[in-house]
Amino acid sequence: DSGVTQTPKHLITATGQRVTLRCSPRSGDLSVYWYQQSLDQGLQFLIHYYNGEERAKGNILERFSAQQFPDLHSELNLSSLELGDSALYFCASSPRTGGQPQHFGDGTRLSIL
Amino acid sequence: DQQVKQNSPSLSVQEGRISILNCDYTNSMFDYFLWYKKYPAEGPTFLISISSIKDKNEDGRFTVFLNKSAKHLSLHIVPSQPGDSAVYFCAARRSQGNLIFGKGTKLSVKP
Repeated sequence: DSGVTQTPKHLITATGQRVTLRCSPRSGDLSVYWYQQSLDQGLQFLIHYYNGEERAKGNILERFSAQQFPDLHSELNLSSLELGDSALYFCASSPRTGGQPQHFGDGTRLSIL
Repeated sequence: DQQVKQNSPSLSVQEGRISILNCDYTNSMFDYFLWYKKYPAEGPTFLISISSIKDKNEDGRFTVFLNKSAKHLSLHIVPSQPGDSAVYFCAARRSQGNLIFGKGTKLSVKP
C-alpha cells in the first residue's frame, strides 16, 4: 500500500462528457503529480502541484485541468471527452518539489464509449 | 521524441538466474534515475534509484548501474524469483521533479 488513494478505480462514460478523478496523497506529502498511461505507452506526465500551486505542466490537453485543495488532495478534470482519452490515469505524491521517489496510487481506468 | 527508451518489450529468465533490464536516455540534464515495478491492476511501485553522480547503487537483490557517457542504465536482479515477474519501468527526473518514463519491459521469471 503506497498510501496514495485514487478514486474511482473505474469510470465508464461517453464521448463529450466530463469527469473528475480524485487523488489523496500520502500523509505529509505536499507534491502531487498526474500521469496518463495509454495502451502500450509509458506513463506520460500531465501536471504537477505543490502545496496548492501549479508547478509544471507536461503533455496536458486544454480540455484537461487540475487543482490541489488546501487539504492537499487533488482533482483532475477531463472534459469534452474523446475516445482517445481512454487510459489509465495515475496520481503520485512526494514530500516536496523534485523529491523522489514518487509514490503512486493504483490509478483510475477511464473508458470512453 | 522519446527521451527514455526501453528497447526490449519483454524478457524471459529462468528462476535463480540473473535478469538484466536496460534503459537508454537522450537528455544529459537528467539528474536522477529510478526503476519502478508494476503488477497488473496496481500502480507502479518504487524499486531502486540512482543519482547521476554515482555509477552503481545496490539494494538486496537489485542493483542499478549508470553509464553516463553512454547514457545507459541497467537493472540487475540476482537471483531472479517468480514473484519478480512484472513490468519494469525506467524513469528519469527532470529539474521540475516530474518523471519521464520508458514504455516498460515485461519480465517473466519461469520456475
